[in-house]
Amino acid sequence: KAGVTQTPRYLIKTRGQQVTLSCSPISGHRSVSWYQQTPGQGLQFLFEYFSETQRNKGNFPGRFSGRQFSNSRSEMNVSTLELGDSALYLCASSPEFSTGHYGYTFGSGTRLTVV
Amino acid sequence: KQEVTQIPAALSVPEGENLVLNCSFTDSAIYNLQWFRQDPGKGLTSLLLIQSSQREQTSGRLNASLDKSSGRSTLYIAASQPGDSATYLCAALPSGGYQKVTFGIGTKLQVIP
Repeated sequence: KAGVTQTPRYLIKTRGQQVTLSCSPISGHRSVSWYQQTPGQGLQFLFEYFSETQRNKGNFPGRFSGRQFSNSRSEMNVSTLELGDSALYLCASSPEFSTGHYGYTFGSGTRLTVV
Repeated sequence: KQEVTQIPAALSVPEGENLVLNCSFTDSAIYNLQWFRQDPGKGLTSLLLIQSSQREQTSGRLNASLDKSSGRSTLYIAASQPGDSATYLCAALPSGGYQKVTFGIGTKLQVIP
């Protein structure tokens, strides 16, 4: 059974550019959540999608956006990149909302470096 | 607002020692609590998931307990090994509708051979 797949694994972007990250959840999982992880802040919740609808959103500026497709794959987009956006971006999937009854399964993450 | 605290932030133990990692949460109305380990630069690997109706879960050398009334969960690692070196995080999901999961900052464990 394939796990959660995040692409790409590494990205280097320049300030002001935009970036799109992709997450393919485990087959049958309908919830996809995104997190930003930095050494000083730990895991910060970005948003959660369930059946193509955004169910929850964290406290991030509007430059961070996401969407979920009918096959449950999700993308997140960051526009006008800033140096502070450098982080490990993690995606987690579950069959239900949030961790629900079955818990999260995480992908390996996308390491974004903004220069 | 749920807050999750993990103490200590870092722990170094000799191989073979039994150890306990702590996770405290402020709101006892949780749906479940999940423990993860994270190796440097990698994603999170699920270790144990405890539902609110459960008191503990076990997997191999790992045992996690949950005490909602005191707002605490502990992860017990028996006979620690160098391969257990990683950061351990706990995550609490509040009950009631579409809630956000709150993570602790983690405990960085080093097991010395």
